[in-house]
Amino acid sequence: EDQVTQSPEALRLQEGESSSLNCSYTVSGLRGLFWYRQDPGKGPEFLFTLYSAGEEKEKERLKATLTKKESFLHITAPKPEDSATYLCAVLGNSGWGAQKLVFGQGTRLTINP
Amino acid sequence: DARVTQTPRHKVTEMGQEVTMRCQPILGHNTVFWYRQTMMQGLELLAYFRNRAPLDDSGMPKDRFSAEMPDATLATLKIQPSEPRDSAVYFCASGFRVHYNEQFFGPGTRLTVL
Repeated sequence: EDQVTQSPEALRLQEGESSSLNCSYTVSGLRGLFWYRQDPGKGPEFLFTLYSAGEEKEKERLKATLTKKESFLHITAPKPEDSATYLCAVLGNSGWGAQKLVFGQGTRLTINP
Repeated sequence: DARVTQTPRHKVTEMGQEVTMRCQPILGHNTVFWYRQTMMQGLELLAYFRNRAPLDDSGMPKDRFSAEMPDATLATLKIQPSEPRDSAVYFCASGFRVHYNEQFFGPGTRLTVL
């Protein structure tokens, strides 16, 4: 069974204080690892997809990296508007045509001004 | 600005009542997903459809939940009878078959069953 564990559950940073969020996973045949951002009262918003170990993707102050067992979401010089819950999800080989994402519990990030 | 829409946004009902949630996927998307999010369980996949046909509904309690796509512009999730443990936020998401790596989520329906 595919599993995703995110840490820490919550993280408070000062504006400008860089840090990383962790996503550890076990999956049979990784087809993709996804990062989403979720603001309170809203649906998740897609950020990145990573497909293979060594791959990196960047968007503004965020950079996602992938190894064979985990992914990191690095946040550089964060701003208060980066405060949100960040969700990690994996898509494995669960059958032909299957699109069954398995999500982690998320990391709630708060950036204090 | 293409987006997934869901109605109602909030629903409060009493135990035993029927609840129907509706989703309009982004025009042209042929894959629709239903998720449930709670504090305890996080985000869980309930069911998904491709080209209006159900592909997997193993995440749904079959005795009370049902999901359908009457047409390409409407997906429904029905709970009958509803129970307090069904209280959650229900999200619909849509995507393209060939771009399975992206799912666009709607704003969710917050369901409270008393």
